[in-house]
Amino acid sequence: ETGVTQSPTHLIKTRGQQVTLRCSSQSGHNTVSWYQQALGQGPQFIFQYYREEENGRGNFPPRFSGLQFPNYSSELNVNALELDDSALYLCASSKPAGGGTDTQYFGPGTRLTVL
Amino acid sequence: AQSVTQPDIHITVSEGASLELRCNYSYGATPYLFWYVQSPGQGLQLLLKYFSGDTLVQGIKGFEAEFKRSQSSFNLRKPSVHWSDAAEYFCAVGPGLKGGGNKLTFGTGTQLKVEL
Repeated sequence: ETGVTQSPTHLIKTRGQQVTLRCSSQSGHNTVSWYQQALGQGPQFIFQYYREEENGRGNFPPRFSGLQFPNYSSELNVNALELDDSALYLCASSKPAGGGTDTQYFGPGTRLTVL
Repeated sequence: AQSVTQPDIHITVSEGASLELRCNYSYGATPYLFWYVQSPGQGLQLLLKYFSGDTLVQGIKGFEAEFKRSQSSFNLRKPSVHWSDAAEYFCAVGPGLKGGGNKLTFGTGTQLKVEL
């Protein structure tokens, strides 16, 4: 069984640029969540996609956007990058288990550095 | 709103000693609770979870956690720590059966150092 994969592993961008991060969900999972983990902090929820629709959003501005594809893989797009966007971006996949929070399985993350 | 507090930023234990990592949560109903471990530069690995039923849950790598509703706590324990357990540990809370949404809220983590 293939776990959650993310690409790229590392990325360096300059302020004002745009970036796209990618995530492939674990086999059998149809839900993808994205988290931002700043240095020394716990992950912060950005948003979640279920069956190609946004299904909840955290306290992040609209320049953070996403997509989910029919094969349940997902993209996170960030426009107009700011220095504070430098972080580890984690993707997690899950499948609904009938109420309550799903068990989320995380990928290795993409380390984004904004200069 | 849901929140998690991990009071200990750093903990150092000797190899073979017992370990307890503290986690306190705030949530209006019965939550779902999780512990994850993160090695340097890596993603999060699920150690264990509590949804309902028996308040003592067993996880991988010899870890266990106990849900105490009266104390709003979900502390992680291990009877004998191995050097390979050195990592950062995160407690997380999510809405339970009667809640809404599917968002995990994490604590700020506890960095565990193991002395040989």
